[in-house]
Amino acid sequence: SQTIHQWPATLVQPVGSPLSLECTVEGTSNPNLYWYRQAAGRGLQLLFYSVGIGQISSEVPQNLSASRPQDRQFILSSKKLLLSDSGFYLCAWSVPQGFYGYTFGSGTRLTVV
Amino acid sequence: DQQVKQNSPSLSVQEGRISILNCDYTNSMFDYFLWYKKYPAEGPTFLISISSIKDKNEDGRFTVFLNKSAKHLSLHIVPSQPGDSAVYFCAAKGWGGGSQGNLIFGKGTKLSVKP
Repeated sequence: SQTIHQWPATLVQPVGSPLSLECTVEGTSNPNLYWYRQAAGRGLQLLFYSVGIGQISSEVPQNLSASRPQDRQFILSSKKLLLSDSGFYLCAWSVPQGFYGYTFGSGTRLTVV
Repeated sequence: DQQVKQNSPSLSVQEGRISILNCDYTNSMFDYFLWYKKYPAEGPTFLISISSIKDKNEDGRFTVFLNKSAKHLSLHIVPSQPGDSAVYFCAAKGWGGGSQGNLIFGKGTKLSVKP
């Protein structure tokens, strides 16, 4: 069966520090991968999605970047965190063909102080 | 510009009664709609979906209704249980590949079911 792992679960980082959140998927090949953010009082905002290794599409301009160094690994990064980067970050995957919805990871609560 | 709107940020219902969560959308090219349920500090979990070619889909206590002419869908939970208390997200998928096929979420509605 397919599983998605996301870590860390919580993170407190000072303003200006770097960020690296990792997401891995097991049990499937060539998944579509997504990074979403849920900020306070807002819905789920799509940040990045990827349909293959090295293929990253950004949905909104921001202080973050994403990379997909391996087929089932998706990384969200920042060189210098801002206070506004605080939020709940979610990784998700979907099958590459057809549509059966997205499966989400358990999320990372990031607090920038 | 919000393409998927959940205008009620919260809803409180008595246990055993019906919960009705509403969602409106603006893009007539959406071809698939989903509801996700989310508990605090957890990722959203899939609840129920409906294709744009249908107007109703039922799964146990959960029923989703789609009114394409009004660009409106609703989730009915009958009977509501305290364990249903969570944030419910409406999501829509556009027809086609690339970014058009990505899920777009509403802001969510927090449901509280009181015993």
